[in-house]
Amino acid sequence: DAGITQSPRYKITETGRQVTLMCHQTWSHSYMFWYRQDLGHGLRLIYYSAAADITDKGEVPDGYVVSRSKTENFPLTLESATRSQTSVYFCASSRQGSNTEAFFGQGTRLTVV
Amino acid sequence: GQQVMQIPQYQHVQEGEDFTTYCNSSTTLSNIQWYKQRPGGHPVFLIQLVKSGEVKKQKRLTFQFGEAKKNSSLHITATQTTDVGTYFCADPTGFQKLVFGTGTRLLVSP
Repeated sequence: DAGITQSPRYKITETGRQVTLMCHQTWSHSYMFWYRQDLGHGLRLIYYSAAADITDKGEVPDGYVVSRSKTENFPLTLESATRSQTSVYFCASSRQGSNTEAFFGQGTRLTVV
Repeated sequence: GQQVMQIPQYQHVQEGEDFTTYCNSSTTLSNIQWYKQRPGGHPVFLIQLVKSGEVKKQKRLTFQFGEAKKNSSLHITATQTTDVGTYFCADPTGFQKLVFGTGTRLLVSP
């Protein structure tokens, strides 16, 4: 039972480069999410998806792009990485409906130099 | 916008002591979830509270939802070193988007 997996686990990139973080879940959950975690800011929602081909912005979407062509994948792309995007990124998924728990991936630690 | 604050930010206890973290929302919550994140790990769901005044227990953990549904608490009785981590409350809004509290980091010394 692979659950939800993120890749890579660690990434160092240079300012201005494009980088894509991958997220894959095996449960066929409808909802998927990207959060970033920073000291002093906790966990904040970047983007979410209610189903394949349906995505919407969260609290901090600027500088990020997402897509969801298949239910199981939800990649997050930083179009032109900035140092302020250095963070730990968590992908999560949950079943459709209310009162459902979120399952988180292991996280990707991204450093932009 | 909505704010979910937790206190304390940090607590260091001796093993065997009790611990409580409090979660306060600026708006009325439909329900509330609690997550635990071990150092270097990812958030893991603990429980969800739905009803006003609800109390739920999981072994040494007791969760409460306030009568007005604007606050919640997590109490750990007789802490163990395995309880170390950061505890977050979270408000599941539309499409289960989570608005996380600021978190309480718990350190337990043996």
